[in-house]
Amino acid sequence: EVQLVESGGGLVQPGGSLRLSCAASGFTFSSYWMHWVRQAPGKGLVWVSRINSDGSSTNYADSVKGRFTISRDNAKNTLYLQVNSLRAEDTAVYYCARGGWYSSSQGDYWGQGTLVTVSS
Amino acid sequence: EIVLTQSPGTLSLSPGERATLSCRASQSVSSSYLAWYQQKPGQAPRLLIYAASSRATGIPDRFSGSGSGTDFTLTISRLEPEDFAVYYCQQYGSPWTFGQGTKVEIK
Repeated sequence: EVQLVESGGGLVQPGGSLRLSCAASGFTFSSYWMHWVRQAPGKGLVWVSRINSDGSSTNYADSVKGRFTISRDNAKNTLYLQVNSLRAEDTAVYYCARGGWYSSSQGDYWGQGTLVTVSS
Repeated sequence: EIVLTQSPGTLSLSPGERATLSCRASQSVSSSYLAWYQQKPGQAPRLLIYAASSRATGIPDRFSGSGSGTDFTLTISRLEPEDFAVYYCQQYGSPWTFGQGTKVEIK
């Protein structure tokens, strides 16, 4: 059974940092593109970042470029999102999602999300 | 960036009725890289449809997708109580973008 479990969220002050993790199981993690998607309270889904299967290629939404860094450890079956210089507008539930073997693939499995709250 | 616009914003229907949700793209979606997701309160999105018209694993056949180019539709043939939720379209050409969602509520 495919499982994605996020962790690392919490309350942080503006300008602060967190590292979000997504532990994957039930599939060959090292074969798949992976994504982070966020959802502000009461709002829609917004794509944040993606990484290819070996970690050599990454992309970011303009709103987080230069502040967020996606990475992965295929030996640990874990996806990461380092979030720095946090702003109030970064408050959201952050989901990891499995892409496919190719960059243009839908998200077929999603974790339950981890909440990041940016507030003083 | 491809912008997706969903309509209507809210659809008020009764169980057993047919639901038709629309998703329009600002430019043609490559190779029908268009998906639909269902999201219930407090839950993660669930993939329903990919490649515009292919049902994901385990999705009932009352859900169907159609369309190409810039106009796509999700149809729920007969609404079950568990189908009342928010639905998002997504293009996954490069990279991902989502529509703003359509809420299907009980009338």
